[in-house]
Amino acid sequence: DGGITQSPKYLFRKEGQNVTLSCEQNLNHDAMYWYRQDPGQGLRLIYYSQIVNDFQKGDIAEGYSVSREKKESFPLTVTSAQKNPTAFYLCASSILRDRGGNQPQHFGDGTRLSIL
Amino acid sequence: GQQLNQSPQSMFIQEGEDVSMNCTSSSIFNTWLWYKQEPGEGPVLLIALYKAGELTSNGRLTAQFGITRKDSFLNISASIPSDVGIYFCAGSRGKLIFGQGTELSVKP
Repeated sequence: DGGITQSPKYLFRKEGQNVTLSCEQNLNHDAMYWYRQDPGQGLRLIYYSQIVNDFQKGDIAEGYSVSREKKESFPLTVTSAQKNPTAFYLCASSILRDRGGNQPQHFGDGTRLSIL
Repeated sequence: GQQLNQSPQSMFIQEGEDVSMNCTSSSIFNTWLWYKQEPGEGPVLLIALYKAGELTSNGRLTAQFGITRKDSFLNISASIPSDVGIYFCAGSRGKLIFGQGTELSVKP
């Protein structure tokens, strides 16, 4: 089945540690996104990528880094500079928007990150 | 930055009742999307709207793209227990902006 796979489902981070969240899609989508979700809030965009080897900062990129070496993969690293990393992280992908339109994003099942 | 105001924040209803929720913005959007999220899972797309005034149904769900392009609403008819979850609106104008969500509880 085509879809977006995020792993792990749960992740724990120690102080001063970097952790990497995996996101893989087999939908042949060009664009991929990372969002952070906190209780009672909407989704906030961390980073997005529209093409391999290129990505842009979203609204809350500080303390995070990404790479896009393959079309199918868009891993997110939560660095030790992110002082409040506890949240639910969602990866999404979409067809690149065509002229005048905006294609819906499809989401993975998320990774819940907690601090030890 | 752009903001979406989604209301109500939460709803507690009896099975069989109809539900209505909406999103408003001070900005114009080209696309409105409605998602449902269940606990521990990612949001699932319910309905996508691409034209002002567009009215689209998906089973018991109906959504409309406001004529001013600054709002959208979602109706659920004859609610059932499996409708429980958080419903998000999202407006798009190059970037996707999400509302804060409406948490729906359905009492059998």
